[in-house]
Amino acid sequence: DSGVTQTPKHLITATGQRVTLRCSPRSGDLSVYWYQQSLDQGLQFLIQYYNGEERAKGNILERFSAQQFPDLHSELNLSSLELGDSALYFCASSVDSGSTDTQYFGPGTRLTVL
Amino acid sequence: GQNIDQPTEMTATEGAIVQINCTYQTSGFNGLFWYQQHAGEAPTFLSYNVLDGLEEKGRFSSFLSRSKGYSYLLLKELQMKDSASYLCAVRSGGVTDSWGKFQFGAGTQVVVTP
Repeated sequence: DSGVTQTPKHLITATGQRVTLRCSPRSGDLSVYWYQQSLDQGLQFLIQYYNGEERAKGNILERFSAQQFPDLHSELNLSSLELGDSALYFCASSVDSGSTDTQYFGPGTRLTVL
Repeated sequence: GQNIDQPTEMTATEGAIVQINCTYQTSGFNGLFWYQQHAGEAPTFLSYNVLDGLEEKGRFSSFLSRSKGYSYLLLKELQMKDSASYLCAVRSGGVTDSWGKFQFGAGTQVVVTP
């Protein structure tokens, strides 16, 4: 158990819909990262937040957005869903003290778009 | 952009040694990470290199050569539970990213046979 929690574990929805994935980082970690993992794309970095502010952006679509709240939990919003958005979405957290910057991954949310 | 290459699959017998190579091309290199991922589970951190040389952690060691854009993960005394995908990840900074983006390789599936 990494200490990172994600809800829900599974989500099944239809094309065109909007969903919100939630992540709570490990106690004391200020950074949250979001990743998408699909069979054909591997693990793709989406976005990073640190203490409420966006710090780095990867291959995140305009239909996707994220935020980190004052209590440090984060939400990833996916809208106008397409079949290709079906994937495992992982959240990870780190202290970001400037040392090893080790990321601890949550168990993931499996999104299925029908 | 970044390119990360690692072999797709490697097979080895229990008790043996396997070396997984990773080559990368990036600007603003800011660290190389190795993760282990069992099917359907979250990645777990194995090692981190930011300076050239070898980092040893029990049965796992990781090597980095920044000038060659090359790293390897060495797994010794292989056990059946080591059968998993091993992901090489590079962090690199840029003008617009405060701390840099992560990019993961496609992963190397290691199969340990009796």
